[in-house]
Amino acid sequence: AQSVAQPEDQVNVAEGNPLTVKCTYSVSGNPYLFWYVQYPNRGLQFLLKYITGDNLVKGSYGFEAEFNKSQTSFHLKKPSALVSDSALYFCAVRDGNTGFQKLVFGTGTRLLVSP
Amino acid sequence: ETGVTQTPRHLVMGMTNKKSLKCEQHLGHNAMYWYKQSAKKPLELMFVYNFKEQTENNSVPSRFSPECPNSSHLFLHLHTLQPEDSALYLCASKAGEGYTFGSGTRLTVV
Repeated sequence: AQSVAQPEDQVNVAEGNPLTVKCTYSVSGNPYLFWYVQYPNRGLQFLLKYITGDNLVKGSYGFEAEFNKSQTSFHLKKPSALVSDSALYFCAVRDGNTGFQKLVFGTGTRLLVSP
Repeated sequence: ETGVTQTPRHLVMGMTNKKSLKCEQHLGHNAMYWYKQSAKKPLELMFVYNFKEQTENNSVPSRFSPECPNSSHLFLHLHTLQPEDSALYLCASKAGEGYTFGSGTRLTVV
């Protein structure tokens, strides 16, 4: 069965500084990896995904993530944080080999960007 | 708006009530999902429908009853809920590898 770990409940960063939100995963087949963001009282919004190809994936709002197979990680990054990036971030994985429709999420990491 | 619409946005119900949550999408997606989001817990997949057929029931208690009359609509019928069922219920639809989520229904069971 697939699983996702987001080891940090909260990440604090000052505006203009780089940010990293960590994610590690476990899946028996090929990992399909996703990042979503959730603003208060809203649903999840898609940021980026890795299916195949380049390990560095670029997504919405200047975010990017790096797929590292040996470390089974898919950390979310942004070179310069904005106050408006403050939100709840979810990493998710699907097993690409099984054909299952199941997308498994982590517990989420709250990002707080201070002015 | 994401293209997936959930109603109502907020719902307060007693433990003996019967209510329904509605999800609607006109994105042409053929797979629809119900997820439960509770504080400090991973999103929990509840049900999956493909082309109106239920393909996964993730050991959800029978007090939650899904219905998918067509590929555009998904319902979650609720009855005799418990306070621990209070959560944000999210609907999603999928085409290819793109999942689109609604804004959710915030359910409070009193």
